[in-house]
Amino acid sequence: DTGVSQDPRHKITKRGQNVTFRCDPISEHNRLYWYRQTLGQGPEFLTYFQNEAQLEKSRLLSDRFSAERPKGSFSTLEIQRTEQGDSAMYLCASSRTRGYTFGSGTRLTVV
Amino acid sequence: AQSVAQPEDQVNVAEGNPLTVKCTYSVSGNPYLFWYVQYPNRGLQFLLKYITGDNLVKGSYGFEAEFNKSQTSFHLKKPSALVSDSALYFCAVSDNSWGKLQFGAGTQVVVTP
Repeated sequence: DTGVSQDPRHKITKRGQNVTFRCDPISEHNRLYWYRQTLGQGPEFLTYFQNEAQLEKSRLLSDRFSAERPKGSFSTLEIQRTEQGDSAMYLCASSRTRGYTFGSGTRLTVV
Repeated sequence: AQSVAQPEDQVNVAEGNPLTVKCTYSVSGNPYLFWYVQYPNRGLQFLLKYITGDNLVKGSYGFEAEFNKSQTSFHLKKPSALVSDSALYFCAVSDNSWGKLQFGAGTQVVVTP
């Protein structure tokens, strides 16, 4: 692996639909993070996994959001009943000891 | 609680001139400080980090940053800016080496030929 992969790169969805994003971290990295970035802002922390355990969730992660990391490998972020306010870039990062590597992000547009 | 301030929304500099992007932070305990750069519609690219040790940290693409504990600052610098340095720069802080990052709002750097 040469980096963190995110799929899809872009997603356009109608309000009320469910969407799921995937993140494949660097293979030896045991920590995985999700961030959300809206236009003109810095990334905001959403949630963090160590291996398969979800250790921390931000208050930004409402009950419409759920994240999983089965078997401590890839991770998925699902948004149910999308709203226009969910439109943002969703960034994934992974880490092993010090420092973080970010993926290129998934840009979500809710119309 | 941790926080980061980037006081300038935009920095304009002529190519070949020195570039400085300012960052101040607040964190309980020892700070772990990072600089990232973002090009349009791309993810974040790591530039450099301060964990411990020398206050002057050298990073990628000729960038460096100086950690100043008394002023709680971690300004990013480049002696001679290039047009290709035009991008959005983010400072980030954590209170440990693996926890969540708190990002600043970002500073847009514009380097003119």
